[in-house]
Amino acid sequence: DSGVTQTPKHLITATGQRVTLRCSPRSGDLSVYWYQQSLDQGLQFLIQYYNGEERAKGNILERFSAQQFPDLHSELNLSSLELGDSALYFCASSVSGQGLSSTDTQYFGPGTRLTVL
Amino acid sequence: QKEVEQDPGPLSVPEGAIVSLNCTYSNSAFQYFMWYRQYSRKGPELLMYTYSSGNKEDGRFTAQVDKSSKYISLFIRDSQPSDSATYLCAMRLRGYALNFGKGTSLLVTP
Repeated sequence: DSGVTQTPKHLITATGQRVTLRCSPRSGDLSVYWYQQSLDQGLQFLIQYYNGEERAKGNILERFSAQQFPDLHSELNLSSLELGDSALYFCASSVSGQGLSSTDTQYFGPGTRLTVL
Repeated sequence: QKEVEQDPGPLSVPEGAIVSLNCTYSNSAFQYFMWYRQYSRKGPELLMYTYSSGNKEDGRFTAQVDKSSKYISLFIRDSQPSDSATYLCAMRLRGYALNFGKGTSLLVTP
């Protein structure tokens, strides 16, 4: 158990809908990362938050957004869903994420499996 | 071209064999190199972490980084059926998010 929790485990929804995925980082970790894993693209970085502020953006679509709350949990919002958004969505956390330590390891949660029908 | 290339396999070996997994990359600025293991329907878990070039050993696992060739490897000695999983290489710049290979599926047969 990595200490990172994600809810829900599974989500089935229809095209055009909006969903929210939730992540709680490990105790003491200030950085949260979101990744999308699909069969054809592998694990792709979406976005990083550090202590409530957006730190880095990857291949995140404009239909997707995220935020990190004062208690450090994070939510990933996916809207106007398309069939191609079906994937595993992982959250990871690390102590800082600022590159202050060479051992700034990212610990992954169990993921949320999103199915868009 | 993806920044990190990894042969997806699948790779099937008998129990007790030495397994060699590899990745190549194109961005010479990568400084931190990792190997993650992912069991089916689970999140990736960190196996090995190395900084810059060199070797690192942890039990049955050895990670090698050759920055001059932009090539990293993971060796698993005395492989076990419980090692059957997908192995993902990952690398990053200082302070940035991870760039993953697509993963190599490994099956160790008894």
